[in-house]
Amino acid sequence: QKEVEQNSGPLSVPEGAIASLNCTYSDRGSQSFFWYRQYSGKSPELIMFIYSNGDKEDGRFTAQLNKASQYVSLLIRDSQPSDSATYLCAVKEDTGGFKTIFGAGTRLFVKA
Amino acid sequence: AAGVIQSPRHLIKEKRETATLKCYPIPRHDTVYWYQQGPGQDPQFLISFYEKLESDKGSIPDRFSAQQFSDYHSELNMSSLELGDSALYFCASSLWGGAGTGELFFGEGSRLTVL
Repeated sequence: QKEVEQNSGPLSVPEGAIASLNCTYSDRGSQSFFWYRQYSGKSPELIMFIYSNGDKEDGRFTAQLNKASQYVSLLIRDSQPSDSATYLCAVKEDTGGFKTIFGAGTRLFVKA
Repeated sequence: AAGVIQSPRHLIKEKRETATLKCYPIPRHDTVYWYQQGPGQDPQFLISFYEKLESDKGSIPDRFSAQQFSDYHSELNMSSLELGDSALYFCASSLWGGAGTGELFFGEGSRLTVL
């Protein structure tokens, strides 16, 4: 089992719809959770980070964390074609160090 | 604002040759990471340094080594290159101390092609 699991997709949604991206992780002691967006051939860039259980909203993006279920999600409201990218879930494990592990990413396509 | 600088951006090597990638983190960031990303793959963690000391090791082959220097720049040395080493190598830096969030700031990557 991978340490960070994501559905690879592709996930296809129409423009204006809500895109829902999910991620599970195996290290129960993990403390920090991140969502990165990566366009093809480019470097990942941070969308959101979340540390506490519950929801965190930033513009069209909402991150949800449930540590009991070891589950993190990202909702994108009013999806735009420019949101089409690979979304990487990343988790900083409770190793005492700084290792941040990425999931395989979910490819999102937003159809105009 | 200064970003993470990687060099070279592109590198072509033959099998069994050696390659060195360089990374200059964002000033005042205390942690540097190296990731390897193959085509269509997720970034695989190789190694990280906190305040110039190795802090974590991931799936880094024994043929690879890395270090962080006194000026905080880091180098990834790859020897006896294999075809499977062809990938995009990302360096990232972050700030964990003080008010740092641990967000990784990535460089644009170094694309290594092994022929």
